[in-house]
Parts: sequence; structure tokens; C-alpha cells
Amino acid sequence: RKEVEQDPGPFNVPEGATVAFNCTYSNSASQSFFWYRQDCRKEPKLLMSVYSSGNEDGRFTAQLNRASQYISLLIRDSKLSDSATYLCVVNWGNQGGKLIFGQGTELSVKP
Amino acid sequence: DTEVTQTPKHLVMGMTNKKSLKCEQHMGHRAMYWYKQKAKKPPELMFVYSYEKLSINESVPSRFSPECPNSSLLNLHLHALQPEDSALYLCASSQPQGGAMMKGQFFGPGTRLTVL
Repeated sequence: RKEVEQDPGPFNVPEGATVAFNCTYSNSASQSFFWYRQDCRKEPKLLMSVYSSGNEDGRFTAQLNRASQYISLLIRDSKLSDSATYLCVVNWGNQGGKLIFGQGTELSVKP
Repeated sequence: DTEVTQTPKHLVMGMTNKKSLKCEQHMGHRAMYWYKQKAKKPPELMFVYSYEKLSINESVPSRFSPECPNSSLLNLHLHALQPEDSALYLCASSQPQGGAMMKGQFFGPGTRLTVL
């Protein structure tokens, strides 16, 4: 089993669509969870941290299920500017600062 | 504007050259990281510095030598690289992991390295 596994992409959706990304992780000792986005030939940018109670930031909602070791990201009313690769990222147990990245899911939002 | 800067943006070097990548952060963070990213792959951790001390080396070949002169600066010294080392090298910073939770890491724009 991969350490952090994401839906294979790419996702091609029309503007205004709702799109959901899923992610599972294998290390039950992981405590911190994030979604990053990465535009082509740019650095990853932190989109949002993911908290146990779930959290929302505008059109973006993140959920965490520790029992299932599952993380999700929901994007509502998708915009052309949401086109990017979305990376599920998990800290690796108690190894201070070590983050493990999923392979990423490419999203393409079309007019 | 990114608060983590990296120089140079692009670097082309031969296998016998010695060069250095530089990273600077202005966020007051005390943990800094080097990652390597190949095309269509996620970033792979190379080194972690916490409070200016090397805390993680992910079995990186010795032709890569990190250095943390102070809490704001991080260097990566390169010597006798191979063509397969061509990649985007990303620097990141964060607060050190204290307790169970950690804050996210913030990345610089990267140095795109080509080894001929």
C-alpha cells in the first residue's frame, strides 16, 4: 500500500461543477493533514489544513476520517482558475517535519 | 509575493562543476527543508533542518551537501552531479513540529536544475 494514495486523474469538469478528491494514508500515527495545489512549473502552495471536525474555506471543504485514514477535498462552483494539480499531504507520524505527498490529482476546469 | 526566495531560478551545470543553491525565508520559521521534484511526480524530501541543526537526511547521496548558516538561510551545495539529478529543487520552511500537530510548510519558487 502506498503511504499516501490519491484518486488517479485527470479530472475534466465544466465551470460551475462540484468536484471531489479523495485520499487515503497508511500511517495511523499521522497527526497533520493538508491539501496543496500546484500549478504547472510552479511550487506547491498550501490550500488548507484538514482538521478532525472538517473545515471550510469559501468554496473549498476538507474532511478527515481518522478511523478510515481518509481525507477528502470538495470544490464547489469550480472556476477556470481552479485548474491545477491537487496534492494530499500527510505528516509522517512523529518524524518531525517529514511530509509525505500523494501523487497528485490533476484538475482541468473547462469553460 | 512569496516569503521564501530561492536563487538561482535556473541552473545548468556540467558533471564536474560545483555550484550552490540558496534559499532565504522571512517568516521567522525555525525549520527549513530541501525537496527534489521530477516532472509529473510529487516533491520528495531530501533534508530537514530544525533550529539550524540537520534533523533528517533521507539517504541523499553525498554529492548533495546541505548547510544552514542561520535561521533564515539554507544552502544546498552540489558537486559531481549526474544527469538524473536534473529536477526542480524546492526549499520550504515552517515552524518546527512541536507536539502532535504541525503547521503547513511554505515553499519557495524552486531552482530548475539541468545537469549535462
